[in-house]
Amino acid sequence: DSGVTQTPKHLITATGQRVTLRCSPRSGDLSVYWYQQSLDQGLQFLIQYYNGEERAKGNILERFSAQQFPDLHSELNLSSLELGDSALYFCASSGMGESGNTIYFGEGSWLTVV
Amino acid sequence: GDSVTQMEGPVTLSEEAFLTINCTYTATGYPSLFWYVQYPGEGLQLLLKATKADDKGSNKGFEATYRKETTSFHLEKGSVQVSDSAVYFCALSDQGYSTLTFGKGTMLLVSP
Repeated sequence: DSGVTQTPKHLITATGQRVTLRCSPRSGDLSVYWYQQSLDQGLQFLIQYYNGEERAKGNILERFSAQQFPDLHSELNLSSLELGDSALYFCASSGMGESGNTIYFGEGSWLTVV
Repeated sequence: GDSVTQMEGPVTLSEEAFLTINCTYTATGYPSLFWYVQYPGEGLQLLLKATKADDKGSNKGFEATYRKETTSFHLEKGSVQVSDSAVYFCALSDQGYSTLTFGKGTMLLVSP
């Protein structure tokens, strides 16, 4: 158990809909990351937050947004969903500081868009 | 930009065989290197890491040595088990940043 908690574990929704994925980082970790894993793209970094502020942005679509709240939990919002958004979405967290810190992953949220 | 290249799978081995999964990287600066493992139907688990040149990471019988001169971080295990069947991801985290860049993953299949 990494200590990173993600909900829901599985989600099925229709095209055009909007969903919210939730993540609780490991106790004390200030950084939260979101990654997308799909068969064709592999593991893609989406976005990072550090102590409530956006720190780095990767291949995140404009239809997607995220935020980190004062209690450090994070949410990833996916809107106007398309079939191609079906993927496993990982949240991860790491401790204070920058280089060399280990990133721990949650078990992921499986999103299926039908 | 940063990149990680892994050998393509699947790698198919018999139980107790020796395992090597090759990983090379391109990065500016001095990255930290990681191996993550994903068992069927599960999330990513950190397997081992190395943060500077010549460091050896090890865990559960797996080892990898950070080779700066060859920009490599090959994963090895002396005797694989059926339970090692999984997808293995090599990744780097560049100095000054903490986001991970992953390779495409290598599937390992171990038969009894």
